Amino acid sequence: RKEVEQDPGPFNVPEGATVAFNCTYSNSASQSFFWYRQDCRKEPKLLMSVYSSGNEDGRFTAQLNRASQYISLLIRDSKLSDSATYLCVVNTNNNDMRFGAGTRLTVKP
Amino acid sequence: NAGVTQTPKFQVLKTGQSMTLQCAQDMNHNSMYWYRQDPGMGLRLIYYSASEGTTDKGEVPNGYNVSRLNKREFSLRLESAAPSQTSVYFCASRTGLSYEQYFGPGTRLTVT
Repeated sequence: RKEVEQDPGPFNVPEGATVAFNCTYSNSASQSFFWYRQDCRKEPKLLMSVYSSGNEDGRFTAQLNRASQYISLLIRDSKLSDSATYLCVVNTNNNDMRFGAGTRLTVKP
Repeated sequence: NAGVTQTPKFQVLKTGQSMTLQCAQDMNHNSMYWYRQDPGMGLRLIYYSASEGTTDKGEVPNGYNVSRLNKREFSLRLESAAPSQTSVYFCASRTGLSYEQYFGPGTRLTVT
């Protein structure tokens, strides 16, 4: 079983839609959680950290459920520019970051 | 600031050849990392260096060696390339104050 699992998608949604991605992790000792965004043939970039209380950054909301060991990312009012692959990342110790394989999102006009 | 730079961008090797992937960062970060990304697998950590002068194995270190030449530079060496090492290689760095990693643009390596 992979340490970090994501639905690979693809998710194809119209502009303006709300879309949610989930991610599960297997190591209950995991301490820090993140969502990264990766455009096609580009490097990953940090989208947002995920805090226990949940956090929001504009149209993006991230939530963490430690009891069930999953993380979610909600994107409201999708834009064409949101099309990308979203990577769930879990940190267990200081330097050991485990990446999910990513969920691909395509937002269509 | 250039951020994290990697050379080369593309490389084709024959089985058994050796090469070194170069990475440099100009953000004065302490920690540097080498990952590989394969379809359906996500990024996997090969080696990391928590600070100048130290290196440690990650999840998939076999077949690779690294050198933290100084605070700026962290190189990855393939001594005898194998087709299983065909991948996209990303270098990353971060400060000790945040978990955010900054990635280079990647090296696409094909081993035939």
